[in-house]
Amino acid sequence: ETGVTQTPRHLVMGMTNKKSLKCEQHLGHNAMYWYKQSAKKPLELMFVYNFKEQTENNSVPSRFSPECPNSSHLFLHLHTLQPEDSALYLCASSQVELAGAEQFFGPGTRLTVL
Amino acid sequence: DAKTTQPPSMDCAEGRAANLPCNHSTISGNEYVYWYRQIHSQGPQYIIHGLKNNETNEMASLIITEDRKSSTLILPHATLRDTAVYYCIVEDRGATNKLIFGTGTLLAVQP
Repeated sequence: ETGVTQTPRHLVMGMTNKKSLKCEQHLGHNAMYWYKQSAKKPLELMFVYNFKEQTENNSVPSRFSPECPNSSHLFLHLHTLQPEDSALYLCASSQVELAGAEQFFGPGTRLTVL
Repeated sequence: DAKTTQPPSMDCAEGRAANLPCNHSTISGNEYVYWYRQIHSQGPQYIIHGLKNNETNEMASLIITEDRKSSTLILPHATLRDTAVYYCIVEDRGATNKLIFGTGTLLAVQP
């Protein structure tokens, strides 16, 4: 595997379910990100992890719970979601120390909340 | 909020150069200009970035005006696969590793 991978690619869940999104980067980076992209809206930054520490929480509701066990893996735990949480969830990674470092994005998880 | 202004959509004929403008009139001295693109239902892809000087890579060229208040991304020979939303982003990467995406420009390359 190369680059940034995300699983599952598609997820349908009910409002009472608990599920997790997984992201893995194979680039040796030390920063990872979660973004949300709702229909016809810009990408919204949700969380930033630098060296496994959360450095940004962009006012995300507590029903979204991120976890970064190491610099290669990032999870987004979901519980009691609402239909308006249906969106494309994108993970990205980068190298923090390099000014101007590009972010590499995964293909995303298409989430539908019923 | 995004610090850039881009036209919502543009058309370009296949094989011709696509010139995508971006206004960033409030850019500060430490802020870089980044361009990403997002092909439908895929993750965004980095294209190029610059600070003051014009930049070129295998994908595109970035022309930044002398006052740095605007820039143009040039795809020299657009193909149908270049149809995507193109995002111009301004960020101080020395201070933060966040990227704030705006609404971008939907470039439609026509056959």
